Amino acid sequence: GAGVSQTPSNKVTEKGKYVELRCDPISGHTALYWYRQSLGQGPEFLIYFQGTGAADDSGLPNDRFFAVRPEGSVSTLKIQRTERGDSAVYLCASSLTSSGTASTGELFFGEGSRLTVL
Amino acid sequence: AQSVAQPEDQVNVAEGNPLTVKCTYSVSGNPYLFWYVQYPNRGLQFLLKYITGDNLVKGSYGFEAEFNKSQTSFHLKKPSALVSDSALYFCAVRASYGNNRLAFGKGNQVVVIP
Repeated sequence: GAGVSQTPSNKVTEKGKYVELRCDPISGHTALYWYRQSLGQGPEFLIYFQGTGAADDSGLPNDRFFAVRPEGSVSTLKIQRTERGDSAVYLCASSLTSSGTASTGELFFGEGSRLTVL
Repeated sequence: AQSVAQPEDQVNVAEGNPLTVKCTYSVSGNPYLFWYVQYPNRGLQFLLKYITGDNLVKGSYGFEAEFNKSQTSFHLKKPSALVSDSALYFCAVRASYGNNRLAFGKGNQVVVIP
C-alpha cells in the first residue's frame, strides 16, 4: 500500500498474555521506528531499525519488549507477560535514511495499534 | 539527549484569528525540527520541518514555523485559523548528527471556535 500499515488496529488482552503487533512500512523505506503513545502524552521512542538490524533499542522499557525485522521490511513488536501499564497506542513509522547519518527526512506514521491490557 | 517542551496544554482561538503553538527544544549541536498534526483516531501527519537555511519554513495547510536559535524555539503559526485545524499538534527534534531518534513533545490540543 501507499502508507504505513499496522495490524491489528485494536487488541484487547489479559494481563500476563503475549502480544504481537505488526508494521508494514512504506516500500523502499530502510528505516523503521516503533513509538508508544499513552493518553495525553507525546509519542515515546522505543526502537529504531536500519535495514534488518536494530540500530537503537534503548527506548524499550524492559526485557518483556522485543522487536524484529528479519527481512528489512515488515517488523513485529512482541510483548511478553503483558501488564496493565503496557496499555497504549503503539505507533510505527518509516522513513528514507542513510545509515550512519542523522536523517533529514520526516517520519511517515501508521495509524497505530491500540493495546488494552485488562 | 534531545527533548521538546510544549508549555500549553490547550490553545483556543477564534476562527479567522492567528494561531500560534509554542515549542522550545534542547539538543546537542544543530537541531532538525519537525511539526506533526494528529486528528482523532488517526496517525501523525507531517506538517513541516526545519533542517537548515531560511529560519521561516512553510508547510502544509497554510502552516509555517520560525526557527529561533537564540531562544531555542520553533513556534508553529497560521495567519487565519480554520475550524478544521482543530487537532493535536506535536513538535519534535532530532540532533543533526548521531542517532536518528526523534523526540516528541507532549502535544498541544488546538481548538478553533467557530
